[in-house]
Amino acid sequence: SQQGEEDPQALSIQEGENATMNCSYKTSINNLQWYRQNSGRGLVHLILIRSNEREKHSGRLRVTLDTSKKSSSLLITASRAADTASYFCATDAGAGTALIFGKGTTLSVSS
Amino acid sequence: NAGVTQTPKFQVLKTGQSMTLQCAQDMNHEYMSWYRQDPGMGLRLIHYSVGAGITDQGEVPNGYNVSRSTTEDFPLRLLSAAPSQTSVYFCASSLRTYSQQYFGPGTRLTVT
Repeated sequence: SQQGEEDPQALSIQEGENATMNCSYKTSINNLQWYRQNSGRGLVHLILIRSNEREKHSGRLRVTLDTSKKSSSLLITASRAADTASYFCATDAGAGTALIFGKGTTLSVSS
Repeated sequence: NAGVTQTPKFQVLKTGQSMTLQCAQDMNHEYMSWYRQDPGMGLRLIHYSVGAGITDQGEVPNGYNVSRSTTEDFPLRLLSAAPSQTSVYFCASSLRTYSQQYFGPGTRLTVT
């Protein structure tokens, strides 16, 4: 079964609003990554957070990790129409283990 | 760098046919993997490789075969295609298993 589960499955917001997506996982992890997928395209890496980190920023993205609750959140601030995409979290259990993806959150940003 | 390339982009097969999906990367990455993506199911790992000559099964390996004879190439073979294998297939590579993954553009496969 998949390791990560994103919530919500779908999210619709207006341009300028913030979007928050959550990811929960089941077993201990080494790293957690977030990816974006525009319709019909390959996935693009957004950010990686290590298990010993609690928060990380990259431009308008903010990722938090709570290993005690086995959860992570991705915040996109001041959303734009171009942020419309599906967002996936992915986790690994360390060197030599596979990267497992969740089912994704579909974000729709309307202008 | 071309990054991760996949061929073909589209393919239609009849039930029972076999074929190979090609994946190549020019970044000298150790880790390569194959995923399938179905509506509402996200990405599911089929097979992965941590280096030339080393492969392992993922979540949904049945009906698929892989080999890794070189660092650059990681082909995925469908042994006897079934309609349940209709999907979009993505290949990815990274320096290590826990590093940023680079994805190919995908192969859209339809089995009739």
